[in-house]
Amino acid sequence: KNQVEQSPQSLIILEGKNCTLQCNYTVSPFSNLRWYKQDTGRGPVSLTIMTFSENTKSNGRYTATLDADTKQSSLHITASQLSDSASYICVVSSSTDSWGKFQFGAGTQVVVTP
Amino acid sequence: GAGVSQTPSNKVTEKGKYVELRCDPISGHTALYWYRQSLGQGPEFLIYFQGTGAADDSGLPNDRFFAVRPEGSVSTLKIQRTERGDSAVYLCASSLKGGTSVYEQYFGPGTRLTVT
Repeated sequence: KNQVEQSPQSLIILEGKNCTLQCNYTVSPFSNLRWYKQDTGRGPVSLTIMTFSENTKSNGRYTATLDADTKQSSLHITASQLSDSASYICVVSSSTDSWGKFQFGAGTQVVVTP
Repeated sequence: GAGVSQTPSNKVTEKGKYVELRCDPISGHTALYWYRQSLGQGPEFLIYFQGTGAADDSGLPNDRFFAVRPEGSVSTLKIQRTERGDSAVYLCASSLKGGTSVYEQYFGPGTRLTVT
């Protein structure tokens, strides 16, 4: 069973609107959580990295939150733009996992329409 | 500076053939990662190098897969006796240092492998 579950699997939003993506994880003990944006045919690009002590981090119009107690994270996109159309992937690593092994979610496919 | 580059961008091969996929990490990055991504899925960890040595190869699916990084920079992922199930995008990433620390991972564009 995947230790990182993302929802929704996909969503369509109108340009200018906001949306929130969810990530639930069971990875333990927790080290850090990352959100990536992956455009079609490209490699993932890092948006945010959060450690246990951080509960919110912003990168422009992207704001990630982390609740390490409930093992949940969200990524909020404000005032969406057409260029936000991409897959958004949540990645969690454990502080005792084999070095270098990151647990990836399947991603949420976001489509922004005019 | 240049980002992570991967060659070829696309590779089509016949079942049973041998293929090599190359990754050029960002200069100075000691950690290098290989992932495999199937359509509609997140990347799946294959192997992680710290310098020249494979620090964790637990993600390699079987002994047909092998990777090297002889001089601690360029890495090659080698697949023997390819099978149709090996078809995927193979992503490479590098970071300044490795482990589960919070160093940024920078991904290459990937190599799309199709086994016919």
